[in-house]
Amino acid sequence: GDSVTQTEGLVTLTEGLPVMLNCTYQTIYSNPFLFWYVHYLNESPRLLLKSSTDNKRTEHQGFHATLHKSSSSFHLQKSSAQLSDSALYYCALSDRYGGSGNKLIFGTGTLLSVKP
Amino acid sequence: NSKVIQTPRYLVKGQGQKAKMRCIPEKGHPVVFWYQQNKNNEFKFLINFQNQEVLQQIDMTEKRFSAECPSNSPCSLEIQSSEAGDSALYLCASSLYRTSGNTLYFGEGSRLIVV
Repeated sequence: GDSVTQTEGLVTLTEGLPVMLNCTYQTIYSNPFLFWYVHYLNESPRLLLKSSTDNKRTEHQGFHATLHKSSSSFHLQKSSAQLSDSALYYCALSDRYGGSGNKLIFGTGTLLSVKP
Repeated sequence: NSKVIQTPRYLVKGQGQKAKMRCIPEKGHPVVFWYQQNKNNEFKFLINFQNQEVLQQIDMTEKRFSAECPSNSPCSLEIQSSEAGDSALYLCASSLYRTSGNTLYFGEGSRLIVV
């Protein structure tokens, strides 16, 4: 079945350094939709960015990701980490079965901790 | 601020007790999802609806949970007999469409502690 893999459970960075959070996926669907959600403590998870276009960079709030179908990847990047970026980040894949109502399949999440 | 409203924010139940959570989806969103975020922060899909109709649910939800989204009332998720392993953050989300690629908008969750 469809799945999403996030290899890092915890990423600890010093403020100002670049961020890269890994995400790979498995699906037999040729046109998957990939998402990054961010979850701050005591807030609701919210969409950071999404894409279904191969090899096109998608950006939002300083973060960017490019869907690469050839490697089934959708890594999240940012050029310079800020203290306020500390949160849980989830990569997700949209279920290809329209009948199931666009269920999202989430990775296990990566906790990003940015230190001064 | 989230426009998906979940109540209560916290609930504490003894093992075997019922636990009920409610969700008001974002206005105009007919598709509603329930996810469980466990102690390892993993998101587990439980069930989703379009209006009052169940679209998909997992086995656990079918056997031990009851959920509904009645017309003109909040959606609800109820655990019939709480177990220790049910302690988690229960997240409700809504979406405008059921097609692939639509954004899910989440509430802040109801945190269940089973003692």
